[in-house]
Amino acid sequence: GESVGLHLPTLSVQEGDNSIINCAYSNSASDYFIWYKQESGKGPQFIIDIRSNMDKRQGQRVTVLLNKTVKHLSLQIAATQPGDSAVYFCAEIPAQAGTALIFGKGTTLSVSS
Amino acid sequence: EADIYQTPRYLVIGTGKKITLECSQTMGHDKMYWYQQDPGMELHLIHYSYGVNSTEKGDLSSESTVSRIRTEHFPLTLESARPSHTSQYLCASSAHRSGYTFGSGTRLTVV
Repeated sequence: GESVGLHLPTLSVQEGDNSIINCAYSNSASDYFIWYKQESGKGPQFIIDIRSNMDKRQGQRVTVLLNKTVKHLSLQIAATQPGDSAVYFCAEIPAQAGTALIFGKGTTLSVSS
Repeated sequence: EADIYQTPRYLVIGTGKKITLECSQTMGHDKMYWYQQDPGMELHLIHYSYGVNSTEKGDLSSESTVSRIRTEHFPLTLESARPSHTSQYLCASSAHRSGYTFGSGTRLTVV
């Protein structure tokens, strides 16, 4: 079936570095994408979203890039902090009605100080 | 404060027991969802509801059942728990296609 997937299961960075987490999706009918952060023992928390009619969206220290040509999403975290350590998931919502969030495999981000 | 609550947080139960995982939200959201997540893995949709008396199965086959008698309450029931049901169960709600709010999850262990 169609799914959203992440390229790397783990990413280790130093505090202060910029982090880039990647995700490839296969459903070209998806029109909405979301990045979630999940800390140990908690449910996923919304980070940032982007609609398919956009290429880039910026938040506080985070930027999401969408490349529809190659069906690729990325999450950039500027000046990564130890508190950013968590598992990051991308998720998509297909355009057809009656569908729910489809999650990709997570990337575990480890930030060392 | 508007939120979504799941109980219990942790549950260890014997094979063959019937269990109900509770999920309640105070945001008045029409849409509610149950996802299953193994440690470090992605979330898989097992049930969802778009309103009272509406329930649908998700993408991942599950032996659990759900009910939606009240807007704020979406319990999940396993009639006869098995070790293969050991997992984390996450409940979520949303007012529209996006804007999901997740609970903290129930970590279920069946021995």
